[in-house]
Amino acid sequence: AQTVTQSQPEMSVQEAETVTLSCTYDTSESDYYLFWYKQPPSRQMILVIRQEAYKQQNATENRFSVNFQKAAKSFSLKISDSQLGDAAMYFCAYTHSTGNQFYFGTGTSLTVIP
Amino acid sequence: KAGVTQTPRYLIKTRGQQVTLSCSPISGHRSVSWYQQTPGQGLQFLFEYFSETQRNKGNFPGRFSGRQFSNSRSEMNVSTLELGDSALYLCASSIDGRFSYNEQFFGPGTRLTVL
Repeated sequence: AQTVTQSQPEMSVQEAETVTLSCTYDTSESDYYLFWYKQPPSRQMILVIRQEAYKQQNATENRFSVNFQKAAKSFSLKISDSQLGDAAMYFCAYTHSTGNQFYFGTGTSLTVIP
Repeated sequence: KAGVTQTPRYLIKTRGQQVTLSCSPISGHRSVSWYQQTPGQGLQFLFEYFSETQRNKGNFPGRFSGRQFSNSRSEMNVSTLELGDSALYLCASSIDGRFSYNEQFFGPGTRLTVL
């Protein structure tokens, strides 16, 4: 069974600094997708970044980048130049390439300190 | 394009009652998934509907059920409510390309409180 683990329930970062959120997953599949979603307080969950397992290059979206280690089944999110608006719950998610069932981690609550 | 909408946004029920939650996906999206979000548990997958058929189901008791209509709108029903059913229920829609990834777009959720 697929599982997604986020071992950091809470993290904090100084404004303008860099923070890395960890995620590991377990799967026997070779073709899948990984996502980081952001859920601001009382707001809708939105997609931050996605990674296709067949791509070796790490995905990047502006200040957000991932470190995808397929062999280690690790998928961490790096937020550079943190901003107050980055404060949110972050969820790591997995889905198989031909499936529509997403598996989410328990989330990491990120606090940005001014 | 309008986003995913969920109604109602807040609900208060008592134990033993039943409740129906509604989700309208983004226009053109045919897949609708439901999740239960509780503190410490993250998002737990309930079920996914596509073309009015339940395609995937999570590990929840039979008290949790759903359906999808021909316009892709979906409803979720919880019967015989228990205190532990208090949660944020999220709906997500996706286009569904079977051989491509499907980004899920989430609604704002329905906050259910069971007293």
